[in-house]
Amino acid sequence: ILNVEQSPQSLHVQEGDSTNFTCSFPSSNFYALHWYRWETAKSPEALFVMTLNGDEKKKGRISATLNTKEGYSYLYIKGSQPEDSATYLCAFFYTGRRALTFGSGTRLQVQP
Amino acid sequence: DGGITQSPKYLFRKEGQNVTLSCEQNLNHDAMYWYRQDPGQGLRLIYYSQIVNDFQKGDIAEGYSVSREKKESFPLTVTSAQKNPTAFYLCASSLRRDRSSYNEQFFGPGTRLTVL
Repeated sequence: ILNVEQSPQSLHVQEGDSTNFTCSFPSSNFYALHWYRWETAKSPEALFVMTLNGDEKKKGRISATLNTKEGYSYLYIKGSQPEDSATYLCAFFYTGRRALTFGSGTRLQVQP
Repeated sequence: DGGITQSPKYLFRKEGQNVTLSCEQNLNHDAMYWYRQDPGQGLRLIYYSQIVNDFQKGDIAEGYSVSREKKESFPLTVTSAQKNPTAFYLCASSLRRDRSSYNEQFFGPGTRLTVL
């Protein structure tokens, strides 16, 4: 089993701050990288699915980049709002395994 | 409304008893998955199924069993052989088994199992 590492484990920011998290994965056998947002008392929801080196995806104030050669992805949140408070999970799909491997997540708390 | 349902939301079990967690989806997805979450840990894969009547073990399959007799249903049985079953269990599904890496997973609301 290949591992996915996420950092930091948790983050507290003030409303309006911009922030970013890291997802690291083995660069060999890469197939796809997923980002999910998991709000308290809700189900995880997909943010992005990324497959190509250099991919950049954006959804509102949230964006993500992917570097498959060095094995990392960054998730950025511009101007954090309290409703961005959630756990952000990344998950890695590699050849030879037909299922995602999840990191342990970054828990974001945005203070009003 | 399309989606994934899991029942029950909370489940209490006595030690030594088997218990079955339900997962149903009406999204017409081919692939379905079971994950377990423990405090401070990510989602760990228990079992997954890419097609009806076929399923594969995930990373922590010991003490669990599944069936996939219908496309829309993927029940998980936690057996008495599972040493530490108290956890939060999530079911998910995704479209198109052959391109499953490219397709986002949709998750149910989860079942919290407590062994007394």
